[in-house]
Amino acid sequence: QKEVEQNSGPLSVPEGAIASLNCTYSDRVSQSFFWYRQYSGKSPELIMSIYSNGDKEDGRFTAQLNKASQYVSLLIRDSQPSDSATYLCAVTNQYGNKLVFGAGTILRVKS
Amino acid sequence: NAGVMQNPRHLVRRRGQEARLRCSPMKGHSHVYWYRQLPEEGLKFMVYLQKENIIDESGMPKERFSAEFPKEGPSILRIQQVVRGDSAAYFCASSQMGSHTEAFFGQGTRLTVV
Repeated sequence: QKEVEQNSGPLSVPEGAIASLNCTYSDRVSQSFFWYRQYSGKSPELIMSIYSNGDKEDGRFTAQLNKASQYVSLLIRDSQPSDSATYLCAVTNQYGNKLVFGAGTILRVKS
Repeated sequence: NAGVMQNPRHLVRRRGQEARLRCSPMKGHSHVYWYRQLPEEGLKFMVYLQKENIIDESGMPKERFSAEFPKEGPSILRIQQVVRGDSAAYFCASSQMGSHTEAFFGQGTRLTVV
């Protein structure tokens, strides 16, 4: 079992729709959870962090965390073509010494 | 406030040469992390450093790779006697607090071994 699992996609959504990205992780003692966006050939860009169960909203982005189910998700409202990228879920180990990344989900927003 | 600065952006080395990758963290950040992204693969943790200390090097290959973060100057990732399998994008990230809290990545160094 991979430590952090994501559906590789591609996930295709029309412009203006809600994109839903999901991630599961295996380490029950993980403390911190992040979503990064990575455009092709570029570096990862931090878009959301979440540390406790529930929802966290920032603009068009909402992160959701359920530690009991070991599940974290990212919702993107009013999706734009510029949101087309690979979205990386990242989880810290127990001590926070390293981030374990999922393989990423490719999102394509079609105008 | 400049972001995480990495140089060079692109580096070409012949097999057997040494590669030195530099990373200057964001102002006020004392925690530095190095990651490697192989073609068509995910990001893999290599090493976590704080000023003058290696906190976690569990992701570093046992041979040829070393990292430092001196009291003054940038963090350096050094790869000796490079092989073609070392060709990858190497990213550095920094954070103000430990535990990867709000870690921001640099633009990366793309190493090509010919």
